[in-house]
Amino acid sequence: AQSVSQHNHHVILSEAASLELGCNYSYGGTVNLFWYVQYPGQHLQLLLKYFSGDPLVKGIKGFEAEFIKSKFSFNLRKPSVQWSDTAEYFCAVNGGSSNTGKLIFGQGTTLQVKP
Amino acid sequence: DTGVSQNPRHKITKRGQNVTFRCDPISEHNRLYWYRQTLGQGPEFLTYFQNEAQLEKSRLLSDRFSAERPKGSFSTLEIQRTEQGDSAMYLCASSSALAGVPDTQYFGPGTRLTVL
Repeated sequence: AQSVSQHNHHVILSEAASLELGCNYSYGGTVNLFWYVQYPGQHLQLLLKYFSGDPLVKGIKGFEAEFIKSKFSFNLRKPSVQWSDTAEYFCAVNGGSSNTGKLIFGQGTTLQVKP
Repeated sequence: DTGVSQNPRHKITKRGQNVTFRCDPISEHNRLYWYRQTLGQGPEFLTYFQNEAQLEKSRLLSDRFSAERPKGSFSTLEIQRTEQGDSAMYLCASSSALAGVPDTQYFGPGTRLTVL
């Protein structure tokens, strides 16, 4: 069965620090990968996605993620975080070949950015 | 705003009662998904529809749960004989899926269910 693991459950950073959130998945076939963000009191929003092509994908608000197939990873990065990045971040995957669209989510990482 | 909408946003019920939630997807999105999210966890897939057809159901969806999308537009999720373990946030998402092309899901604000 597919699974997604986010190793950092709670991350605390100061403003301007660099961010990297880990995401590993278990699935042997073609995958589609997503990062969603949930700001306090708001609904899940898409940050970025990878379907194919360039493994380095750029999303909104200066976020990027790199797909490393050999490591089954899709880590999220941002060079310099802001207080407004305080949120919960979810990595998700679906099996591309079946295209059911069903997303398997990690348990999330809470990011707290101190001003 | 023409995003995914869900009603009600909050529901408090007593154990054993039935509850029904509604989801209105983004206009013309042919796929509609239901997920459940508990505190400290990521969303878990429950079921999805392509147009009016329910194509997949998770084993999490016990026989007390039923979902419909009668005209391929809005959907309802009903929970019968609620239990305290049903307390969670119920999320709806929609997408525009084309054959052989990955889809991107857009989520609604969720319905928070509390079973007393």
